[in-house]
Amino acid sequence: AQSVAQPEDQVNVAEGNPLTVKCTYSVSGNPYLFWYVQYPNRGLQFLLKYITGDNLVKGSYGFEAEFNKSQTSFHLKKPSALVSDSALYFCAVRPFSGGYNKLIFGAGTRLAVHP
Amino acid sequence: EPEVTQTPSHQVTQMGQEVILRCVPISNHLYFYWYRQILGQKVEFLVSFYNNEISEKSEIFDDQFSVERPDGSNFTLKIRSTKLEDSAMYFCASSDLRDSHEQYFGPGTRLTVT
Repeated sequence: AQSVAQPEDQVNVAEGNPLTVKCTYSVSGNPYLFWYVQYPNRGLQFLLKYITGDNLVKGSYGFEAEFNKSQTSFHLKKPSALVSDSALYFCAVRPFSGGYNKLIFGAGTRLAVHP
Repeated sequence: EPEVTQTPSHQVTQMGQEVILRCVPISNHLYFYWYRQILGQKVEFLVSFYNNEISEKSEIFDDQFSVERPDGSNFTLKIRSTKLEDSAMYFCASSDLRDSHEQYFGPGTRLTVT
């Protein structure tokens, strides 16, 4: 079955420290991978995507993610966390099945950045 | 910046009642989606819609659910006879192309069935 796993319910990090939010996936073929962020009372906001090419992709607000095919992972990273990065982060995959852009989401990871 | 909007933000209804959740996608987008998130669970795909017809639906999207684009701007999700387990946050999304890799999401409607 196609699935996305975010093994951590919450990640705590001090402001200024690097952060990593983990994501692994299980789909057939070569998927498209995404990260979305959700702030309170807001919709899901697109952060970045991996489609093809360079395994390290850069996105909004200084975030980046590294695609690792052998480990089927797509971890979200940022070199220096800000308090304003505190939010709920979702990893998602679009199976490369020719379907109409259906996204499969992970359960989400709450990032808490402390001053 | 264009946004997807959804109304109402919170809907409370009694079991067995019909509800209609409304969405206004971004104006030049052609593909529309509904997702839902039961409290504490994953965001789940419900249905995608293009050219006035459903293009894909999940097993969750049974006969109790329907979608419609009644005019050039709105996209609605109807639940005919709500059940307690329909309580969830419902997200609408839109994208401009089939192969567009960015779906733009609305803020969600929280549906509470009592």
